[in-house]
Amino acid sequence: GDSVTQMEGPVTLSEEAFLTINCTYTATGYPSLFWYVQYPGEGLQLLLKATKADDKGSNKGFEATYRKETTSFHLEKGSVQVSDSAVYFCALRPSGYSTLTFGKGTMLLVSP
Amino acid sequence: DTEVTQTPKHLVMGMTNKKSLKCEQHMGHRAMYWYKQKAKKPPELMFVYSYEKLSINESVPSRFSPECPNSSLLNLHLHALQPEDSALYLCASSQDLGGGETQYFGPGTRLLVL
Repeated sequence: GDSVTQMEGPVTLSEEAFLTINCTYTATGYPSLFWYVQYPGEGLQLLLKATKADDKGSNKGFEATYRKETTSFHLEKGSVQVSDSAVYFCALRPSGYSTLTFGKGTMLLVSP
Repeated sequence: DTEVTQTPKHLVMGMTNKKSLKCEQHMGHRAMYWYKQKAKKPPELMFVYSYEKLSINESVPSRFSPECPNSSLLNLHLHALQPEDSALYLCASSQDLGGGETQYFGPGTRLLVL
């Protein structure tokens, strides 16, 4: 079945450091890919998405590129802030299906 | 506007109580979802409604009873819950059930069952 694998956390960075959170997936066909962020005590917010190969999603300085050849959708940000501290979930939605498959989530902790 | 609202924000209930969670969206979305999220875990799908009809029930115990009175509103009725049901309950909506549609989540209701 479909699955999403994210790097284990927590990821601990200093402010202004470069961020990469790895995400790889297993799915048939052409799924859509998403990154959601969950701040402490809150629900999930859509961060960015990509619906086809080579698409780049971007928002708030974060970006991720849909790489079908490596089945990856890694999240990157050039300079993190303390306010980026949160849990990040990579997810896929199979083509023609309604359900999301989530990765286990990666906690990001940014210190001043 | 991509807002999904949920009430209440917090809920404490005993195992014999009956309570309801409410979710609302005004984006014209025709698919709505209930998820359960335990601490440090990803959300787990419970129910999916499409055009006000139950489309998916992920083998959820009958003590959870969903209801979709209209296209903007989704309820989750709770009865005789167990302490292990304590969790964050998230509602989401999307334009429809087609592949690629983005799900937008509400802030959740944090439920504690005593």
